[in-house]
Amino acid sequence: GESVGLHLPTLSVQEGDNSIINCAYSNSASDYFIWYKQESGKGPQFIIDIRSNMDKRQGQRVTVLLNKTVKHLSLQIAATQPGDSAVYFCAENKEGAGSYQLTFGKGTKLSVIP
Amino acid sequence: NAGVTQTPKFQVLKTGQSMTLQCAQDMNHNSMYWYRQDPGMGLRLIYYSASEGTTDKGEVPNGYNVSRLNKREFSLRLESAAPSQTSVYFCASSANLGLNEQFFGPGTRLTVL
Repeated sequence: GESVGLHLPTLSVQEGDNSIINCAYSNSASDYFIWYKQESGKGPQFIIDIRSNMDKRQGQRVTVLLNKTVKHLSLQIAATQPGDSAVYFCAENKEGAGSYQLTFGKGTKLSVIP
Repeated sequence: NAGVTQTPKFQVLKTGQSMTLQCAQDMNHNSMYWYRQDPGMGLRLIYYSASEGTTDKGEVPNGYNVSRLNKREFSLRLESAAPSQTSVYFCASSANLGLNEQFFGPGTRLTVL
């Protein structure tokens, strides 16, 4: 089965609200996680990444939280804007330390309501 | 900088036909990748090239071949296309093989009839 999955396939949020996109992973040996954004008709675009020696990492309007105890990853987008509407993918290095191959989840579609 | 470019953008093939998808990057990256993306599924790695002159299989390599022509270019070949290869194909590159950001191209939408 899919080792990286998402709790919700779709998410609708009001413009200006915060968005939280969740991701579960099954391999406790994974030590690297990354979030990508994919707009319709385009290739994925890097948002933020985090290594397993961290619990939290912040970027511009985005925060990634990693809970290794329950193998859960989340992406928080502050003050969501219409331009944030896209599909968001999480990915992990499923084979664990030393692996360079990423396993992607199926994605969550974020829709921003103006 | 154009980043990662792919050609063609769209292609329709008949079963059994062959074709090559082209990918080039102008970021002086060492590592390049080919993924496929199917509806309802995440990206799956087909092949990757850690550096010029090397290629390795990814998760779903069957039915494909690759060539790392030079540092800039990494092509994907379908020798005998099958309907199961209908997908959107993405090429990506990164500075080095490792856990770092991959830059993706715009994709090639391939339909095999």
